[in-house]
Order: sequence, then C-alpha cells, then structure tokens
Amino acid sequence: QVQLQESGPGLVKPSETLSLTCTVSGGSISSYYWSWIRQPPGKGLEWIGYIYYSGSTNYNPSLKSRVTISVDTSKNQFSLKLSSVTAADTAVYYCARAPRSDYYMDVWGKGTTVTVSS
Amino acid sequence: QSVLTQPPSVSGAPGQRVTISCTGSSSNIGAGYDVHWYQQLPGTAPKLLIYGNSNRPSGVPDRFSGSKSGTSASLAITGLQAEDEADYYCQSYDSSLSRVFGGGTKLTVL
Repeated sequence: QVQLQESGPGLVKPSETLSLTCTVSGGSISSYYWSWIRQPPGKGLEWIGYIYYSGSTNYNPSLKSRVTISVDTSKNQFSLKLSSVTAADTAVYYCARAPRSDYYMDVWGKGTTVTVSS
Repeated sequence: QSVLTQPPSVSGAPGQRVTISCTGSSSNIGAGYDVHWYQQLPGTAPKLLIYGNSNRPSGVPDRFSGSKSGTSASLAITGLQAEDEADYYCQSYDSSLSRVFGGGTKLTVL
C-alpha cells in the first residue's frame, strides 16, 4: 500500500523559501502525477501544483511565479519550493498522488504544518 | 473565493439524508471535467470519497453517492451517522489548467 510522508522545517521566516519533501513508500513514483496541496488554518484546500514522474510540471496560476516542484526518482521523492513567503503561506501542506493530470488525488500524506513567522 | 461554490454548512439527524451541492462554471464542471469529493475528518488529511462524479473507491460505504449535471454536482449521504461529521470538499479541473476545489462544507450530525 502506497504511503506518502511530508517532511521539512515547520518554521520559515518571511521573505525566505519554504522547502518540503514528500517521500513515497510502498510503491514506485513512476507513472503517476504528484501534487502539493495546502490548507491555511481554518480554511479550505488550495492546489499548488503537480509534477509527473518524468519531470513535467503544472502550477496553480496564482502561485506560479513562486513555486518550483521537482522529482528525484532514485529516492522516490518529490519536493516543493515556495519562495518569498509571507504569513499568508502559513498552512498545512499535503502531498498527494493522482493517476491523471486533471483527475482526482487518491493517496494523501498526513500533512505537515508550516508557519511563516520571524 | 473558491472557483467551485459549496454551502458552508449542512446538518441532519442520524438516519436522515443530506445533500451537498457544488456549483462551477462553463470553464470547469460545465466543460465536461469530472467532479470528485473528499471527506476530511477533524485533524486528518482529506480522503477520497467519490471519483469521476459517481464512483466510490473500495471501502467507501454505499451510503455515499455522487451525481453531476450541467455546471453542478452533488454529494448525497443517506442513513446519516455520527461518524460522518466532517468537512466535505468537491474538486474538479479548470480550463486555466488548474485543479480547483470548493470552499468546503461542514456537515453536522445533530
């Protein structure tokens, strides 16, 4: 059974870059689309972007200028970088798997909380 | 403001039936993109509940059902149980090349 685990710093300073990694276990990273989604405290879900195992990406237009998602197939991991963060980027960040670029996400990580504060 | 519109809250007594609507536009649901539903229990990650408008993943009770018509979709829950109390989100795809979510609906079991 495929499992996803997010990891990274829980506290990031304003204007710095948020970096998170999602480790895929129990299955291969190949042939799927891998997304990042976030949820600010008390609010709804926001899709950040995805990467295909081959390296092609697609980002939420509202975050595109600040987001980079990369993949390391040798480690079965993919990563998120979000630059120039502000308090508005404080959220629980989830990684998730999707069978198609435009479809549902069927496996989710437990999420990791990132707080932007000095 | 979310691209897909859901009611902020719904409620029902145990055993009753409730529905949650998800309204989009001609650039997402109305463009033919499928709608998917997630259940988020308090303090946990979202869980896929319905995919492809009306399909249930293995393990999801048949008390949960989904439908889609035009620019809208609905999630129905019959035989309401206390354990169904959660937030529910619809999700689709938009012609802007982006996955989009509804704002979420909090279901309260009275």
